[in-house]
This record gives sequence, structure tokens and C-alpha cells, in this order.
Amino acid sequence: NAGVTQTPKFQVLKTGQSMTLQCAQDMNHNSMYWYRQDPGMGLRLIYYSASEGTTDKGEVPNGYNVSRLNKREFSLRLESAAPSQTSVYFCASSDRGRNTGELFFGEGSRLTVL
Amino acid sequence: QQQVKQSPQSLIVQKGGISIINCAYENTAFDYFPWYQQFPGKGPALLIAIRPDVSEKKEGRFTISFNKSAKQFSLHIMDSQPGDSATYFCAAHSGGYQKVTFGTGTKLQVIP
Repeated sequence: NAGVTQTPKFQVLKTGQSMTLQCAQDMNHNSMYWYRQDPGMGLRLIYYSASEGTTDKGEVPNGYNVSRLNKREFSLRLESAAPSQTSVYFCASSDRGRNTGELFFGEGSRLTVL
Repeated sequence: QQQVKQSPQSLIVQKGGISIINCAYENTAFDYFPWYQQFPGKGPALLIAIRPDVSEKKEGRFTISFNKSAKQFSLHIMDSQPGDSATYFCAAHSGGYQKVTFGTGTKLQVIP
């Protein structure tokens, strides 16, 4: 049972470099999300995708772009990384059709920007 | 803008004791209130959830108490065990679960 799979698990970037975090889910969920987790800040929503072909901004979208490639995959791109983007990033998915709202999270991607 | 306020930030409880974590919300449109448990190096996982039409929900040693008029809800962990040591997040959803607002988290340590 893979659930939500994120890659890479760890990444170190220099300021100004770009990278893409990949996320895939095998639960046939419609909705997918990207969160960042910082000490004392909890989990903050960056972008979400309610269904294939749609994306919307969350609470902290600046500096990020997303692509909902298909129903399974939702990627997060940092075009020009900044030290403020040092964080742990979590991808999540949910099945709105079940009307429970439960989020299923991946294990996280730890990003350090020097 | 923090729509869900969680306290305390950290909590140390003796084994067998009761752990209590509190959350308060502002948006009356919220209609689903889950708690997530996160172990180090892992993603959060749903622990227990409640809807505002009930005042309490119990699952094993975990209980959510909900006070709609005060816009507050809390997690009680009875007979706390070292294996309960984790970070706990309260959360709130509104209409269609498109956006979930999380509290800032409580790091619980249960000592033997």
C-alpha cells in the first residue's frame, strides 16, 4: 500500500536554484495538496488541486508553482529558491466523494536552501 | 492570519496521566474538526474527528470534546503512554473540504 509517495526525501539547494518536488497517489483521490511545515507555524497550505486540471492558491503560494499532471500526480516547483523556503514539504490527497475530508499525507520532503 | 489557535505548544505528561490539548477557531463556517497525529520523520495521520452537531466523540483512549458556542474543541488522551509521544495538530474544514486550516501543533512527550 504505497498511498502518497513524495520524491525526493531530502534536497539541498543554493539560493536561486530551481527544483521540482514530485508527488503521486495511488488511491484514486480527486483532491491533492501541498503543505509546508515550519516550527511553531504548523502546516500551511501552499497550493491545492480539487480535481484533475484545476489548481488554486492556498495560504502561502508566493515563490511556488504547481502542476496537476494527471489524477495521480501533483508537482510543486520552486523557480528561484530562497532561504525562506527551507522547510519540510508534505503532499496530501483526499477523496471528497467519501465526504469525510480525511487527508492522506506523504512522508515529507526536507528542503534546505543555503 | 491564524484561524485555528492551538495550545499548549508542548506538553509533558507522566505515563498513565491525561493529556489535554486545546484549540479555538474563529470561522463559524467550519464544519469538520479532525485531529492529526505525527511521529518524527513521518507525515501526519488522521487520529479522530468530530462534526459540530455532537459535543463529544470517543475512540479508545482518545476523546474530542466540542463546544460550539465557545468555538473551542479539545483532545483528551486518557492513560497516556510513551507510544503516544508525537506532535498533534488540530484542524478545521469548511464546505467541500477544499481548504483545511491547521493549528500550530502540540509536541507531546509521555515520560515513563
